[in-house]
Amino acid sequence: EAGVAQSPRYKIIEKRQSVAFWCNPISGHATLYWYQQILGQGPKLLIQFQNNGVVDDSQLPKDRFSAERLKGVDSTLKIQPAKLEDSAVYLCASSLRRIYEQYFGPGTRLTVT
Amino acid sequence: KQEVTQIPAALSVPEGENLVLNCSFTDSAIYNLQWFRQDPGKGLTSLLLIQSSQREQTSGRLNASLDKSSGRSTLYIAASQPGDSATYLCAVRPTSGTYKYIFGTGTRLKVLA
Repeated sequence: EAGVAQSPRYKIIEKRQSVAFWCNPISGHATLYWYQQILGQGPKLLIQFQNNGVVDDSQLPKDRFSAERLKGVDSTLKIQPAKLEDSAVYLCASSLRRIYEQYFGPGTRLTVT
Repeated sequence: KQEVTQIPAALSVPEGENLVLNCSFTDSAIYNLQWFRQDPGKGLTSLLLIQSSQREQTSGRLNASLDKSSGRSTLYIAASQPGDSATYLCAVRPTSGTYKYIFGTGTRLKVLA
């Protein structure tokens, strides 16, 4: 069974630029999560999808971050414009249903200069 | 509001030692608790998932226990090896709200050869 795929693995941008991350969850997993992990901290949930719909985006900075999950499969997370404090690892995870075990992708390391 | 704490933040032990990592949480109303391993620059790998009705789970040299009433979980690693060096994270899934995982900040483990 293929795992959660993410791309790119690394990205360096200047502040005020925009960036997009892509995630492909495990086949058949209805729930998809995007997390932000700042160095030395645990992951923080940004947004949770159940199929196409958003279940929780309470910690998503909506003035600059957006995410979508078209057709209930792949998802993209966008930051526009980026700030220095957005430097972090962005992790995508998926689970069969909302309370089932989560499986994580390798993450995208973003550096904003 | 659920808070998750992991102590110690960092740990260095000689190879072969048995060790215990601690995770405490403030609200006992949880569906489950999951232990993860994170290698530098990588995503999270699930180690053990304990449902709220369970007391412990075992996988190889790993044993995780859960005492929901006291808000504590421990991860026991037997006969540690240099390959066990990583950051270990615990996460709890509350029974209320959107069931999103709340992560601790992790314990950085270094096993010396």
